[in-house]
Amino acid sequence: GAVVSQHPSWVICKSGTSVKIECRSLDFQATTMFWYRQFPKQSLMLMATSNEGSKATYEQGVEKDKFLINHASLTLSTLTVTSAHPEDSSFYICSARDRAAGGFYEQYFGPGTRLTVT
Amino acid sequence: AQSVAQPEDQVNVAEGNPLTVKCTYSVSGNPYLFWYVQYPNRGLQFLLKYITGDNLVKGSYGFEAEFNKSQTSFHLKKPSALVSDSALYFCAADYKLSFGAGTTVTVRA
Repeated sequence: GAVVSQHPSWVICKSGTSVKIECRSLDFQATTMFWYRQFPKQSLMLMATSNEGSKATYEQGVEKDKFLINHASLTLSTLTVTSAHPEDSSFYICSARDRAAGGFYEQYFGPGTRLTVT
Repeated sequence: AQSVAQPEDQVNVAEGNPLTVKCTYSVSGNPYLFWYVQYPNRGLQFLLKYITGDNLVKGSYGFEAEFNKSQTSFHLKKPSALVSDSALYFCAADYKLSFGAGTTVTVRA
C-alpha cells in the first residue's frame, strides 16, 4: 500500500532556532500534501494544503511566515518551523494524496514528527 | 463545508463484545466521510470511507460503518472487539478532512 514517511520522527530544538520536517511519499506521486498539527489528546488541526509547484494554502490563523511549506517535487514536501518557541511544541503529521489513483478521497498519513522546543 | 462531531470522548468495552464509536455530521451537499485510527505516537491509519453507494461500508480490521442520512450519522462498528483495537478513533469529513475530536476506545481483556 501507499507509504508516507516523515523525518525526523522526533526533534528537540532551542527556542529561536528553525526546524525542518520532511514528508515523503515513498511509492506514489502526490500532487497534494497536507500538514496537520496535533496537541496531546486532541484532534488534528489542518495547517496548510501543499500543491506541487505552487504556494501552499494556509488555514485561517496559521502564520505562513512562521510555518514555511515547500512542495518541490511530487514526492517531497517540507515544513519549516522558523524561530521556534515552546508553544510550537506539538506533533506534526503530514498526509498525501495518490495522484495515480485520482487521489481525491483518500489520504495516506505519515507517522508524525514530535517537536519539542526548549 | 462539512464538519463532524464525536459525542463520546471515551468508549470502554469488554473483549468479545460489540464496539460502536459514534459520529454525526453536518454537511452542505453530499457527505464524504472517513474513519481513521491512531495508535500512541503514530500517524493515522485509514479504516474506511463513504463517498456514494451502499450505506454499509466495510473496512479494515473487521470494522464497518453505516451511513444514515436521516440521522446524519456515520457510526463505526465492530461485532467483536479485541484488546488490540484499543486506540484513538477519528471521524472525518470533506476533501480536506475536517476531523472530529476523537474517541478513545479501551477494550479490556
